[in-house]
Amino acid sequence: EAGVTQFPSHSVIEKGQTVTLRCDPISGHDNLYWYRRVMGKEIKFLLHFVKESKQDESGMPNNRFLAERTGGTYSTLKVQPAELEDSGVYFCASSQAGVSHYEQYFGPGTRLTVT
Amino acid sequence: GDSVTQMEGPVTLSEEAFLTINCTYTATGYPSLFWYVQYPGEGLQLLLKATKADDKGSNKGFEATYRKETTSFHLEKGSVQVSDSAVYFCALGRAGTALIFGKGTTLSVSS
Repeated sequence: EAGVTQFPSHSVIEKGQTVTLRCDPISGHDNLYWYRRVMGKEIKFLLHFVKESKQDESGMPNNRFLAERTGGTYSTLKVQPAELEDSGVYFCASSQAGVSHYEQYFGPGTRLTVT
Repeated sequence: GDSVTQMEGPVTLSEEAFLTINCTYTATGYPSLFWYVQYPGEGLQLLLKATKADDKGSNKGFEATYRKETTSFHLEKGSVQVSDSAVYFCALGRAGTALIFGKGTTLSVSS
């Protein structure tokens, strides 16, 4: 079974540009999470989808970030326009619905560098 | 709100040394506790977990016990290997919510 995949693995963009990150969760996982780790700090929650619906987006830093999950499958996270402080590693995780749905499976992350 | 505090790194050890990485948490009720590991160039992997007080999670020679009285979930390994070099994250989770992570501890093991 394929794990969680993320694309691209690394992106370098200039301040003011737009970047779109993609996450493909494990097939059949209804829950999809986005997290971010800024250099040397905690991994922080951004938002949570259940199927195609946003369950919790309390961690989204501002309205420059837009997340979607088309048809409850893959998800995209768009940053527009990017700022220097958006640099970091963006992780996606997925989990099944039900009693064990706190056990999350993570992708390799996308390292975003804004210059 | 809930929070997790991990010991600051980096931790540098020689092969076969004993490892302890401290983790304490603040939470109401009974969250589940996790250790995740990120090896160089890879994503986060679940290392072990404990879902209730006094549970011991174990995997690959690592152990951690959920101590409610001390609100701790310290990670231990009796004899580390070079291949254990990685970043270790302590995390707290509840049903239906996102994980809350500590800052991560970088472990470097030399031969």
